Amino acid sequence: GENVEQHPSTLSVQEGDSAVIKCTYSDSASNYFPWYKQELGKRPQLIIDIRSNVGEKKDQRIAVTLNKTAKHFSLHITETQPEDSAVYFCAAGGAQKLVFGQGTRLTINP
Amino acid sequence: DSGVTQTPKHLITATGQRVTLRCSPRSGDLSVYWYQQSLDQGLQFLIQYYNGEERAKGNILERFSAQQFPDLHSELNLSSLELGDSALYFCASSVVGGKAYNEQFFGPGTRLTVL
Repeated sequence: GENVEQHPSTLSVQEGDSAVIKCTYSDSASNYFPWYKQELGKRPQLIIDIRSNVGEKKDQRIAVTLNKTAKHFSLHITETQPEDSAVYFCAAGGAQKLVFGQGTRLTINP
Repeated sequence: DSGVTQTPKHLITATGQRVTLRCSPRSGDLSVYWYQQSLDQGLQFLIQYYNGEERAKGNILERFSAQQFPDLHSELNLSSLELGDSALYFCASSVVGGKAYNEQFFGPGTRLTVL
């Protein structure tokens, strides 16, 4: 079945440094790739998404890149801040459903 | 606030029991999705409904069932509960219709504890 692999499972970076989280997907029909941020005990919230006709998208300190040929996509967070600490989930899918990665726990060290 | 509401927020019950979780989607959204999130785990897709009909199914156990009503709210029924069913259950909604992608908005979740 469809599968999304996310790495790393945990990531610790110094405040101000960059963080990169990578995902690969198996279903070549996937055309929508969102990233969600989930703080402890709260709902996942969409932070950025990219569609299959775009290779890169940026929104202030966050950016996502997509390589459809290789079936992988990445989240980049620059100038990290303490409030970036959370669990981040990637997902791949389309109109019917999303398949989520297992999540990356990002910790920003002051 | 995403506009998606879920009730109850917390639910504590015993093994073997049956519970019903409720979700109201954002105004205008026709699709409802149910996810299970166990402790320190990812989001496991359970089932999707679109305008009252089942649209996609994930790793949903036979002991679980769901439905979407004419007013578009949805209920997830969990029966013969086991300890391992303890988890956060999220509902999400989206507008699906003519779009190739699927932006989902999550509700606050229902935390189910089975003792």
